[in-house]
Amino acid sequence: DAGVIQSPRHEVTEMGQEVTLRCKPISGHDYLFWYRQTMMRGLELLIYFNNNVPIDDSGMPEDRFSAKMPNASFSTLKIQPSEPRDSAVYFCASSLGGGVETQYFGPGTRLLVL
Amino acid sequence: AQSVTQPDIHITVSEGASLELRCNYSYGATPYLFWYVQSPGQGLQLLLKYFSGDTLVQGIKGFEAEFKRSQSSFNLRKPSVHWSDAAEYFCAVGARSSASKIIFGSGTRLSIRP
Repeated sequence: DAGVIQSPRHEVTEMGQEVTLRCKPISGHDYLFWYRQTMMRGLELLIYFNNNVPIDDSGMPEDRFSAKMPNASFSTLKIQPSEPRDSAVYFCASSLGGGVETQYFGPGTRLLVL
Repeated sequence: AQSVTQPDIHITVSEGASLELRCNYSYGATPYLFWYVQSPGQGLQLLLKYFSGDTLVQGIKGFEAEFKRSQSSFNLRKPSVHWSDAAEYFCAVGARSSASKIIFGSGTRLSIRP
């Protein structure tokens, strides 16, 4: 299996622009997670889906952030408008089952907002 | 709510020496506990996890961890480190009541002295 695929790997944009991050989970996995990693706040769960349905979005920082999962093989995290404080590494992870089941992480998208 | 503390930000050990990385958690009941490793520029990879049963858990790459309820700890150990073990290590805790929401510690960076 190719593992979790994220694109782009790097994104540089200017403040105010819309940013869309993409994730393809491992085939057959029914849970998908979006995380953000910064030096200041560490690794934070933003939102997770089960069977394409958002279950917990309490970690989404504000309305500028939105996430969708239109089908079992694709998810997006969108930031509109972007701000410099959104600069971080964004990880997508997937798992077969929730709870104690292993989450498999993608390589991450490094976002820099100027 | 659950939380996890990794008191050591950075540890350096000599190649071949033993290793212990500390992790303390806060949770009212028996949690799910995890150790993940992150190599530079990579996503996180699960080393091992505990959810019930034997309190000494074996993982990949020769790592093990011991759940000590009385100390609220889940320390990671390896008897002899290799240069390839240099990475960031994250302890994480999940609550059985909110199955898939995992809280990560701030991480411990491990450097290996030749």
